[in-house]
Amino acid sequence: DGGITQSPKYLFRKEGQNVTLSCEQNLNHDAMYWYRQDPGQGLRLIYYSQIVNDFQKGDIAEGYSVSREKKESFPLTVTSAQKNPTAFYLCASSWGEGGQPQHFGDGTRLSIL
Amino acid sequence: AQKITQTQPGMFVQEKEAVTLDCTYDTSDQSYGLFWYKQPSSGEMIFLIYQGSYDEQNATEGRYSLNFQKARKSANLVISASQLGDSAMYFCAMREPYGGATNKLIFGTGTLLAVQP
Repeated sequence: DGGITQSPKYLFRKEGQNVTLSCEQNLNHDAMYWYRQDPGQGLRLIYYSQIVNDFQKGDIAEGYSVSREKKESFPLTVTSAQKNPTAFYLCASSWGEGGQPQHFGDGTRLSIL
Repeated sequence: AQKITQTQPGMFVQEKEAVTLDCTYDTSDQSYGLFWYKQPSSGEMIFLIYQGSYDEQNATEGRYSLNFQKARKSANLVISASQLGDSAMYFCAMREPYGGATNKLIFGTGTLLAVQP
């Protein structure tokens, strides 16, 4: 089945540690996105990528980094510079044009130990 | 700047009744798209329905319909014949101008719907 796979489902980080969240899609979508969701709030865009080897900052990129070396993969690294990383992280992908919806993974819940 | 407003933090509805979830938006663009997503307690985001700004007909998908009033800048979601499985968080989102450089979405803060038996 086509879809988006995020791993792990739950992740714990120690202070001062970088962690990487995985996102893989087999929908052949060109564009991929990372969102952050805090309790009781909507989604905020962290980074997005429209093609391989290219990505742009979203609204809250500070303390995060990404790479897009393959079309199907868009990993997100939460660095130690992100002072409040506890949140629910959602990855999405879509075709680049028209009214095509973004399809989401099941999310990764990151907590600080 | 583009903005999505959902003024109902939470709503109750009786099973089998219809419910309307409000969404208003603010944009200066003529070309845009509006989406509704459902987020169950498990966390995944499920796409429900899409309305393009130039679409003359209101979008419908099964029990979901979108009451699009362009002049009022509103895009309310109507769920007919509510089911217990409809209990979830619902988000309205707007896409940057159709054909724009990106496919970014701006989300509202959501409405928590509880369907009562």
